[in-house]
Amino acid sequence: KAGVTQTPRYLIKTRGQQVTLSCSPISGHRSVSWYQQTPGQGLQFLFEYFSETQRNKGNFPGRFSGRQFSNSRSEMNVSTLELGDSALYLCASSGGGGYTFGSGTRLTVV
Amino acid sequence: TQLLEQSPQFLSIQEGENLTVYCNSSSVFSSLQWYRQEPGEGPVLLVTVVTGGEVKKLKRLTFQFGDARKDSSLHITAAQPGDTGLYLCAGAHFQGAQKLVFGQGTRLTINP
Repeated sequence: KAGVTQTPRYLIKTRGQQVTLSCSPISGHRSVSWYQQTPGQGLQFLFEYFSETQRNKGNFPGRFSGRQFSNSRSEMNVSTLELGDSALYLCASSGGGGYTFGSGTRLTVV
Repeated sequence: TQLLEQSPQFLSIQEGENLTVYCNSSSVFSSLQWYRQEPGEGPVLLVTVVTGGEVKKLKRLTFQFGDARKDSSLHITAAQPGDTGLYLCAGAHFQGAQKLVFGQGTRLTINP
């Protein structure tokens, strides 16, 4: 079956702009989680959605938001981008067992 | 605050050698997962351990969950260049938790 699909794979944005990243989970998986990966901090949990509801949220500022649609696809949005937001953003879907991660979106803020 | 400490952070060894990676915490986890990540890709789940003292084997990889469920180890026997990658441990604080706490990772290089 198809894996977790994240788009786009690469993005370059300017400070102050906003960005929207997309994640399509494995068919049948209703839970989608988002993580930020940086060399300094490693993988940090952003938020998790289940059946269009945010169930868990990490310690990130309000500039980071997300949503999930009825088909379980999820988007995350970062407003007023800062240089420190440059990272690999990973989405993971779960059907109740372990996580399956997508390949990520590499965001570079200049 | 880094709740899961992985060591070593970097390890470079020759093909055929054995190695152990450690994942330690002061917190109790209901389960612990190990992932391997290749450059430019997302982490891939290798194993989940849920019972204190549990040992799981995946070919040349042996995973152990500590008796108190606060620590875990990954042992690789006769390492091969294909084992090269970033190894991550991740803990869940309760059953069904959808928030994982990740260690910083161990970057493993196996030299031919």
